[in-house]
Amino acid sequence: DAMVIQNPRYQVTQFGKPVTLSCSQTLNHNVMYWYQQKSSQAPKLLFHYYDKDFNNEADTPDNFQSRRPNTSFCFLDIRSPGLGDAAMYLCATSKSGRAFFGQGTRLTVV
Amino acid sequence: AQTVTQSQPEMSVQEAETVTLSCTYDTSESDYYLFWYKQPPSRQMILVIRQEAYKQQNATENRFSVNFQKAAKSFSLKISDSQLGDAAMYFCAYRRKQGGSEKLVFGKGTKLTVNP
Repeated sequence: DAMVIQNPRYQVTQFGKPVTLSCSQTLNHNVMYWYQQKSSQAPKLLFHYYDKDFNNEADTPDNFQSRRPNTSFCFLDIRSPGLGDAAMYLCATSKSGRAFFGQGTRLTVV
Repeated sequence: AQTVTQSQPEMSVQEAETVTLSCTYDTSESDYYLFWYKQPPSRQMILVIRQEAYKQQNATENRFSVNFQKAAKSFSLKISDSQLGDAAMYFCAYRRKQGGSEKLVFGKGTKLTVNP
């Protein structure tokens, strides 16, 4: 049974058109992460939440925003996607030292 | 800042043989977690093995084991009896144990090929 679910699996968006990626979890974990992973690279942390406390990485562009309305859901908003934002976006949760990843959303910008 | 280094961009192994993937890290913390994650071509990141820094005993999970050398800040992964399904990217990762900032720091990964 999927525990961290990302929707959609594949997303195509137009250059400059806002897009939202979603993540939900059934684990009731208090920590959630968003990572960006480009081809053949390590995942790069964009933000993470500890409960409702939001932590933005210093080098995360302002173009990326996030919302966590409740424990189960977390959203990644890209306000004006550029070609360089095409990547796999990974959501993960964590509790007691274990992280669980969703299957990712592959974002294509055209 | 913590860093994780994987010095082997690519490795290959014959099916049924043993392979060791290297990882070193840098931290000033005394207690933390270390992980190996596997990312097959389907791209979902899967936890392979976890080590708590205060535990001296090396973690093992079936065919996967680690050699954790805390003083040397080294955390290598040994895969025994390699199988075709082990082919994937392997990422070493670090996480602080205490505090609200619980982010995972990843190495750049090692691509493992298993030859039949």
